[in-house]
Amino acid sequence: DTAVSQTPKYLVTQMGNDKSIKCEQNLGHDTMYWYKQDSKKFLKIMFSYNNKELIINETVPNRFSPKSPDKAHLNLHINSLELGDSAVYFCASSQSTSGFTGELFFGEGSRLTVL
Amino acid sequence: AQSVTQLGSHVSVSEGALVLLRCNYSSSVPPYLFWYVQYPNQGLQLLLKYTSAATLVKGINGFEAEFKKSETSFHLTKPSAHMSDAAEYFCAVSDGHDYKLSFGAGTTVTVRA
Repeated sequence: DTAVSQTPKYLVTQMGNDKSIKCEQNLGHDTMYWYKQDSKKFLKIMFSYNNKELIINETVPNRFSPKSPDKAHLNLHINSLELGDSAVYFCASSQSTSGFTGELFFGEGSRLTVL
Repeated sequence: AQSVTQLGSHVSVSEGALVLLRCNYSSSVPPYLFWYVQYPNQGLQLLLKYTSAATLVKGINGFEAEFKKSETSFHLTKPSAHMSDAAEYFCAVSDGHDYKLSFGAGTTVTVRA
């Protein structure tokens, strides 16, 4: 039973299109994240939600919009896709009732390719 | 702000040899330090973490890391490499409060038979 699951795993699309990536966790965690991993494998946080409230919003273009309908789900919608958006997007979760432990549980990633 | 620097983007070891991956940190507050591993086509998995208790931290799969404040280092070691250790390894740092993990650039480990 997958703890953090993302769909789709692969996404190939044209520039200018809009796409969404969905994430679900069944660990009962209260905090979820989106990370972007570029072609050089560098990881950078994009967003984080704690109990459905946005707590981290890094300098990400406003074409990227996260949505957390409940604690177990965090989706990422991207408008007007650009070539530079090509990357692997990782969803992660953590339990933060005792504060931030740094122990994140990652999904397997969604590889986005923009042509 | 916290940051980590991983020395060496690629490490190649023979099976059975010592694995040593270097990580130096920069932090204005006592840091929380982590090593994560990413196997091919998978997400990251926590190997071990330092949170100001013991300076020598043992993790999964035989890995351990030692926190050295005087050297601002948190190097990862494994006495005897196994083929299954081939992966990407990331050092990360946090101040423990702002829900942000800052990752290093990663070190690719290959294991030769």
